[in-house]
Amino acid sequence: GDSVTQMEGPVTLSEEAFLTINCTYTATGYPSLFWYVQYPGEGLQLLLKATKADDKGSNKGFEATYRKETTSFHLEKGSVQVSDSAVYFCALSEYNTDKLIFGTGTRLQVFP
Amino acid sequence: NAGVTQTPKFQVLKTGQSMTLQCAQDMNHNSMYWYRQDPGMGLRLIYYSASEGTTDKGEVPNGYNVSRLNKREFSLRLESAAPSQTSVYFCASSENSLAVGNIQYFGAGTRLSVL
Repeated sequence: GDSVTQMEGPVTLSEEAFLTINCTYTATGYPSLFWYVQYPGEGLQLLLKATKADDKGSNKGFEATYRKETTSFHLEKGSVQVSDSAVYFCALSEYNTDKLIFGTGTRLQVFP
Repeated sequence: NAGVTQTPKFQVLKTGQSMTLQCAQDMNHNSMYWYRQDPGMGLRLIYYSASEGTTDKGEVPNGYNVSRLNKREFSLRLESAAPSQTSVYFCASSENSLAVGNIQYFGAGTRLSVL
């Protein structure tokens, strides 16, 4: 079945460092891909998405490119801030289905 | 703009007690979902409802029941709580149209402890 694999955390960075969180997926069709973020004590909220190969999703300085050849959707940010400390979830949704499949989440901790 | 509202925010139960987690959305979404979040396991789908009047099992439905009361409300019931059901529960909703895809909006969660 479909699945999402994320790098394990926590990822610990200093402010202004470059961030990469790896995400790879397994799917039978052509899924849409998502990154969700969960701040402490809150629910998940959509960070960015991409719906087809080579699409780049971006939001709040974060970017991820849908790579069909490597089945990946890695999250990047050029300069992280303390306020980016959160748990990040990669997810996929097969075309015309009602469900999201989530990775296990990666905790990011940014120190000043 | 409330979005997805869950009640209660916190709950402590004794083994064998029952309770219902409430969820309501004000975005006129067709699809609604219940997830549980456990450390190291991400979010796992318990039940979902693609439209008013329909419900389907997700990955981990055992020990739970759901009711899609109307388009706005989707409740999750634990008939006889067990310690293994200690978790954080999230409700979500989605328009799930071809135009916007399956973007889900989440509530703030219910933190449940079963002693």
